[in-house]
Amino acid sequence: GENVEQHPSTLSVQEGDSAVIKCTYSDSASNYFPWYKQELGKRPQLIIDIRSNVGEKKDQRIAVTLNKTAKHFSLHITETQPEDSAVYFCADTYGSSNTGKLIFGQGTTLQVKP
Amino acid sequence: DAGVIQSPRHEVTEMGQEVTLRCKPISGHDYLFWYRQTMMRGLELLIYFNNNVPIDDSGMPEDRFSAKMPNASFSTLKIQPSEPRDSAVYFCASSLVWAGSNEQFFGPGTRLTVL
Repeated sequence: GENVEQHPSTLSVQEGDSAVIKCTYSDSASNYFPWYKQELGKRPQLIIDIRSNVGEKKDQRIAVTLNKTAKHFSLHITETQPEDSAVYFCADTYGSSNTGKLIFGQGTTLQVKP
Repeated sequence: DAGVIQSPRHEVTEMGQEVTLRCKPISGHDYLFWYRQTMMRGLELLIYFNNNVPIDDSGMPEDRFSAKMPNASFSTLKIQPSEPRDSAVYFCASSLVWAGSNEQFFGPGTRLTVL
């Protein structure tokens, strides 16, 4: 069914370390995979996304990798900073992105300890 | 553009009362989504519209929930009668779906408390 599995549910790292969050999707037709960041008390906001025709995308300290064969994608944050502390959500379109619909994972609470 | 606008930002009501949440999407966007967020269930899609037409309401929990989009700049989510288990943050989001991006822009949310 429409389901995106996200792991881990919580993640605690020391400032400067890397953090990795993984998601698995079910529909092989999915072709768009965004990551949203939600700071405490705020709205979710897109931080990076990837389409199925590429395997990796980077934007400064964050990167997303996609493995279509295994149907999973990951968010990588390097040189973590306290302001990276937030809840991160992955999502997929569960099929064609033309529907506009996103199915969100359960979220990962990232804590970066100074 | 001011972004997605939601009102009210906070709502406290008593069980059995009707609650109406309002949303103004970003001008020109053709999709509008209503989500509910709780600690237990995460971010749930309730219903979404394309060009003011409801496309998928399979996430609406029960008949007490209804949503309308009378025009491209306004949508409402109504709960009648409200129950304590409806307490959550309700987000509205809008997007302009094209080949390159499906980015959804979220409003600030409405925190609903049903006593």
